[in-house]
Amino acid sequence: ETGVTQTPRHLVMGMTNKKSLKCEQHLGHNAMYWYKQSAKKPLELMFVYNFKEQTENNSVPSRFSPECPNSSHLFLHLHTLQPEDSALYLCASSQNFGGLGETQYFGPGTRLLVL
Amino acid sequence: RKEVEQDPGPFNVPEGATVAFNCTYSNSASQSFFWYRQDCRKEPKLLMSVYSSGNEDGRFTAQLNRASQYISLLIRDSKLSDSATYLCVVRVGSGNTGKLIFGQGTTLQVKP
Repeated sequence: ETGVTQTPRHLVMGMTNKKSLKCEQHLGHNAMYWYKQSAKKPLELMFVYNFKEQTENNSVPSRFSPECPNSSHLFLHLHTLQPEDSALYLCASSQNFGGLGETQYFGPGTRLLVL
Repeated sequence: RKEVEQDPGPFNVPEGATVAFNCTYSNSASQSFFWYRQDCRKEPKLLMSVYSSGNEDGRFTAQLNRASQYISLLIRDSKLSDSATYLCVVRVGSGNTGKLIFGQGTTLQVKP
């Protein structure tokens, strides 16, 4: 299935590195999301973009910086991360943001390890 | 108190068994409810939405009790392929203030 793709699938980085995660959706959706999934914790919503505009920043530290150049692409720029930021980062999209029955479609995720 | 609470399990059941998962949510203003399935090292995928009247999809039945703020998922005649983590998901708010809140998930292992 290639509705929502993410690259890279795995990433190991040091605390002083700068890297970017990329997400692309091929579903014609207008809303895109970044989630963090840590071991034994629920998915945590990080950011929401609706029609390229950020509508939600869920108290995420500034070392995570999202970018949404168009409705199909979403980036998460990472810099000076901490080991506790190691997690699975999932991108999702939905037709619109705000629909009560809205289904979100997830990408395969980027498994990040911060050393 | 967690916004969406689930028993993490694992639930270990034999093939053919019936198993039920429960979920409670804290926000009485929650508007939409879902079950997502997440296979090991894969992304979550929508299993089914949960409606007030209850709904069934093959071997899967979902029920909602708004008064008790409780959601359930029943799986009949379990298959090996049902082994996964089942995520209870609640939508709070609406419009540009709405968002999905995920439970920790309940892990199911179906054994031969």
